[in-house]
Amino acid sequence: AQKVTQAQTEISVVEKEDVTLDCVYETRDTTYYLFWYKQPPSGELVFLIRRNSFDEQNEISGRYSWNFQKSTSSFNFTITASQVVDSAVYFCALLGFTSGTYKYIFGTGTRLKVLA
Amino acid sequence: GAVVSQHPSWVICKSGTSVKIECRSLDFQATTMFWYRQFPKQSLMLMATSNEGSKATYEQGVEKDKFLINHASLTLSTLTVTSAHPEDSSFYICSARDRRGHNEQFFGPGTRLTVL
Repeated sequence: AQKVTQAQTEISVVEKEDVTLDCVYETRDTTYYLFWYKQPPSGELVFLIRRNSFDEQNEISGRYSWNFQKSTSSFNFTITASQVVDSAVYFCALLGFTSGTYKYIFGTGTRLKVLA
Repeated sequence: GAVVSQHPSWVICKSGTSVKIECRSLDFQATTMFWYRQFPKQSLMLMATSNEGSKATYEQGVEKDKFLINHASLTLSTLTVTSAHPEDSSFYICSARDRRGHNEQFFGPGTRLTVL
């Protein structure tokens, strides 16, 4: 079975604090992809990053960074010096092969509130 | 590139009526499109997989006679919610997979359906 767990339902931080959103996944596939999406109040999913299962290199993009560790099946997301505009729901997702096609499995999301 | 549009972006209808939502891939051809439903403060749940020129594959628990899916061309899939009821009120998101074989899906902006 494939599963994505985001144990943090809601996180509140004060602006400029660093915050890490956790994501743990389960899959038996050897080839899979991991994603993070941001969903602001408008509802549209905003793509943040994609990682394939063979690339464990961590990535940094501005204030965002991602830590992919296959040993612990985790793909955590850190926002440095958070800003109010970062307030949104963040989804971690696994793209794996299920029932003859590639399908997304989404986590339950983490609602981030950044307070001014 | 890889833009997916949805129309309408929001719709309000009376109970018992049918509502059609369109999903278009604007700059690529999509042999496969996916329909998701997202209830407030919940994650995205896959409803069905739509393949161009063939019947859609529905996830367990999704009524195929209530949620009619048509994928008549490589750039258009439609979801019709038949005899809508208030409990069908939700945010419906489609995604499309590029025909060129990439497994990643590109998401539309979503359609917010409210049934009175």
